Amino acid sequence: AQKVTQAQTEISVVEKEDVTLDCVYETRDTTYYLFWYKQPPSGELVFLIRRNSFDEQNEISGRYSWNFQKSTSSFNFTITASQVVDSAVYFCALSEGDQGGSEKLVFGKGTKLTVNP
Amino acid sequence: AAGVIQSPRHLIKEKRETATLKCYPIPRHDTVYWYQQGPGQDPQFLISFYEKMQSDKGSIPDRFSAQQFSDYHSELNMSSLELGDSALYFCASRGDNEQYFGPGTRLTVT
Repeated sequence: AQKVTQAQTEISVVEKEDVTLDCVYETRDTTYYLFWYKQPPSGELVFLIRRNSFDEQNEISGRYSWNFQKSTSSFNFTITASQVVDSAVYFCALSEGDQGGSEKLVFGKGTKLTVNP
Repeated sequence: AAGVIQSPRHLIKEKRETATLKCYPIPRHDTVYWYQQGPGQDPQFLISFYEKMQSDKGSIPDRFSAQQFSDYHSELNMSSLELGDSALYFCASRGDNEQYFGPGTRLTVT
């Protein structure tokens, strides 16, 4: 069975600090997809990234970066120089299958990030 | 670009009433997923449809039913509402090998 664990329930940082959100997953499939979503207080789910199981290359997008390590089943998310607008709940999610991540998503419990000015 | 549309955005119902949530996928998307997110919880998969047929089922109560219509829009019908059904309900549609989420319907049962 697939499972996603986000051990950090809440994190509070001061603006401009770097922060890393942890995500550990479990799956028996060799083909799977990992995602990160941001949920601001308004409630919508904002897609951040999708990564397939065959691509372990780390990715950087502006202040965001992701570290995917199959050896430890982790897909961690780092925000550099955090800003107040980064305050939100962040979800890591997993989908199994080989249809390009189009199967149902299993979410972690989420990490609530608060960035204080 | 067109996005997933959900209606209504907010809904208030009383216990034991029924509710119908609607989802309009992105044009040419053939798969729809429904998720339920309770207060302070993560989204939980309810059910999905591909080409108007149910393709997968999660933890959806028997009081709930859903279908996908010929124009690919989907409706989630909820009967005998309970206080615990109060949640944010997301619809997502599949395209380009990726799920695109709608803004959600916030259902409050009083």
